[in-house]
Amino acid sequence: GENVEQHPSTLSVQEGDSAVIKCTYSDSASNYFPWYKQELGKGPQLIIDIRSNVGEKKDQRIAVTLNKTAKHFSLHITETQPEDSAVYFCAARGETSYGKLTFGQGTILTVHP
Amino acid sequence: GAVVSQHPSRVICKSGTSVKIECRSLDFQATTMFWYRQFPKKSLMLMATSNEGSKATYEQGVEKDKFLINHASLTLSTLTVTSAHPEDSSFYICSAPAGVRDYGYTFGSGTRLTVV
Repeated sequence: GENVEQHPSTLSVQEGDSAVIKCTYSDSASNYFPWYKQELGKGPQLIIDIRSNVGEKKDQRIAVTLNKTAKHFSLHITETQPEDSAVYFCAARGETSYGKLTFGQGTILTVHP
Repeated sequence: GAVVSQHPSRVICKSGTSVKIECRSLDFQATTMFWYRQFPKKSLMLMATSNEGSKATYEQGVEKDKFLINHASLTLSTLTVTSAHPEDSSFYICSAPAGVRDYGYTFGSGTRLTVV
């Protein structure tokens, strides 16, 4: 089955700096790669996603890049703010629509004012 | 957008009792519901996939008789933790595909189960 590795496990940055979180996946047939932000005691919230036919996607301060050849994708957050502090999860889904998501281990992002 | 309402958000129960968690799709029909379990500071672990009108599919290592899943309608899926024990204490989250043509998923807000 799919295996997703996420790094780093913790990331600490100063407000205004950029943050980058990286994930690798094992199933070359995976076609959907979402990123989720989870705050304490809440369910995950989608912040950005990318499909396998796209190399990069941007939404204001957040961007995701996908390298299908290397089977890795990354989350980029620019101009970080204290409210960006949370746990971030990457995930990958195999070829079958509405299939199961496989999650990375999570990254605890702390943005210091 | 598609919303999944999950209840209760928190529940405390005594060992040996059963607890039911409900997830309702409010503005769409959820033919599939994924149930996850999350330990503190850990990732989401898929427990089972429920499909409306059929038996749930459980992931390896998940006890079917412990975690009963029912998906009797297109808007309601339930997870019942039977004969709960302290080790069942965890954060449980449901998720459903967000739409027919959409690749996305919508997640419930989670249920914090504490068994005492």
